[in-house]
Amino acid sequence: QKEVEQNSGPLSVPEGAIASLNCTYSDRGSQSFFWYRQYSGKSPELIMSIYSNGDKEDGRFTAQLNKASQYVSLLIRDSQPSDSATYLCAVQGYQKVTFGTGTKLQVIP
Amino acid sequence: DVKVTQSSRYLVKRTGEKVFLECVQDMDHENMFWYRQDPGLGLRLIYFSYDVKMKEKGDIPEGYSVSREKKERFSLILESASTNQTSMYLCASRQDYTGELFFGEGSRLTVL
Repeated sequence: QKEVEQNSGPLSVPEGAIASLNCTYSDRGSQSFFWYRQYSGKSPELIMSIYSNGDKEDGRFTAQLNKASQYVSLLIRDSQPSDSATYLCAVQGYQKVTFGTGTKLQVIP
Repeated sequence: DVKVTQSSRYLVKRTGEKVFLECVQDMDHENMFWYRQDPGLGLRLIYFSYDVKMKEKGDIPEGYSVSREKKERFSLILESASTNQTSMYLCASRQDYTGELFFGEGSRLTVL
């Protein structure tokens, strides 16, 4: 079992729709959870972090964490073509940070 | 702004050559990481360091070593490059309080 799993996609959504990205992790001791966005040819950049169970909202982005189910998700409301990128889920254990393989999102104008 | 600088954007080396990839951060972060990124495999952790002269193996350390003589600099070394080490290498520095990783621009290594 991979430590951090994501559906590779591509996930295609029409402009203005909600995009839902999911991630599961195996280490119950994981402490912090992150979503990074990576445009083609660029390095990853942080868009959301979440540390406790529940929802965290920042603009059009909402991160959700359920530690009992070992599940993290990212919702993007009012999706824009500029949101088209690969979204990487990252999980921090004691010191190590492990990434999923990423989900490619395509927002269709 | 945090800046993470990787010494080379593109390198072409021959099989068996020794390769140094250098990474410098300017925010006094304790933790630094080296990942490689390959299509379909995502970012895989090679090594990380949580303090000067301290290092820990990541998930794929075979064929690599690292050096951290100064807090701001973390180097990845390929003692004898092989074709299967052709990849994009990403260095990152972690902000201690938030855990956010700041990435360099990457070094694309081709081993012929």
